Amino acid sequence: YELTQPPSVTVSPGQTATIKCSGDKVGDKYPCWYQQKLGQSPVLIILHGDKRPSGISERFSGSRSGNTATLTISGTQAMDEADYYCQAWDSRNDFVFGGGTKLTVL
Amino acid sequence: QITLKESGPTLVKPTQTLTLTCTFSGFSLSTSGEGVAWIRQPPGKGLEWLAVIYWNEDKLYSPSLKNRLIITKDTSTNQVALTVTNMDPVDTATYYCVHQSGYGSVADWVDFWGQGALVTVSS
Repeated sequence: YELTQPPSVTVSPGQTATIKCSGDKVGDKYPCWYQQKLGQSPVLIILHGDKRPSGISERFSGSRSGNTATLTISGTQAMDEADYYCQAWDSRNDFVFGGGTKLTVL
Repeated sequence: QITLKESGPTLVKPTQTLTLTCTFSGFSLSTSGEGVAWIRQPPGKGLEWLAVIYWNEDKLYSPSLKNRLIITKDTSTNQVALTVTNMDPVDTATYYCVHQSGYGSVADWVDFWGQGALVTVSS
């Protein structure tokens, strides 16, 4: 099972960033999203497609439908610059990550 | 608060066997629903899930690596070990120990990560 993400996304400060994750019926697999800043361990920011864990900014939101999962970051800030990974649980057979998207705030 | 910490060798030779240990706190692997997994990340590259072990001894492995991996737990010491056989330079990576949640739900997720341990494979 494979998940495909764009290698990079660039957004201006204050604008909305959208990162898409493509995979066969990924919408049915309740995908998660992780943020990894340079030199740090990843952090869970969205689970089960659209749920935010405690402590995660409301600026982060997720959606899922068909073959696409989407991470949206509203009012993007410099502190949001990081790598973002989508992840899906493929029928308890494999815990799959997308290749990651480098978000640049410029 | 859940914490996890990896320990083990930082350098292994090709063909050798790597054993990493994860020592965790804040939960017990004898409690229903709990799981500990390993994820690795080669330098400058993406994340790769390797294996998970649950409180009930259920174990799952990455299909692409399952022949080389063994995951075990010691509930009395709050430790989980990962053994990787026949190491190769392409296995050079930061290995993360993580808390994996969601057993029995629609899908698992990782909610806590260790700091990671860099393992280099070189002769």
